[in-house]
Amino acid sequence: GAVVSQHPSWVICKSGTSVKIECRSLDFQATTMFWYRQFPKQSLMLMATSNEGSKATYEQGVEKDKFLINHASLTLSTLTVTSAHPEDSSFYICSASFPGGATGELFFGEGSRLTVL
Amino acid sequence: AQKITQTQPGMFVQEKEAVTLDCTYDTSDPSYGLFWYKQPSSGEMIFLIYQGSYDQQNATEGRYSLNFQKARKSANLVISASQLGDSAMYFCAMSLNTDKLIFGTGTRLQVFP
Repeated sequence: GAVVSQHPSWVICKSGTSVKIECRSLDFQATTMFWYRQFPKQSLMLMATSNEGSKATYEQGVEKDKFLINHASLTLSTLTVTSAHPEDSSFYICSASFPGGATGELFFGEGSRLTVL
Repeated sequence: AQKITQTQPGMFVQEKEAVTLDCTYDTSDPSYGLFWYKQPSSGEMIFLIYQGSYDQQNATEGRYSLNFQKARKSANLVISASQLGDSAMYFCAMSLNTDKLIFGTGTRLQVFP
């Protein structure tokens, strides 16, 4: 199947710093990628839709200045958590639509676990 | 509003037995897709099975089958011949005419010997 890779898998940072998470589609071009956030023992919540070459579309309640998304190429989307605080600690997971697949058939990255001290 | 409901926080099943994980959904849109994903403790989301709202037959993928009851708005996942490696969180999800997925709260499945 299609491969989506995230980096880093784990990141620990100090409060106030910014952290960048990368999401790459390795063997296909993804015009659209999605970023989800998952708190421990909870479900995935969609944060934003990342569109190649245009601004991301954020879900209600997600601060766009806090979670910067850039989709500069057809294989790479980045999520930057700016001025991170402990409450931003979470599991962030991206997904990409596979061209020609069923609507909603997404392939997910391995996830990135962020811990803010 | 669209919603996915998984009422079973946790399920236990003995190895080699079958297990059904419940999922109900709510949407007024006639066109939608239903998905099941497996999330092991490592965190990645693994696609298991898909059912389109217009599909006449229940989807099957190896040991996974989806019991699609459209009138009841349910899309239960049946895992046959459970294996120890099936122990994981299982999420039901729905998409409308976009690729955005709405996830249920998940069911933790534990397979014991």
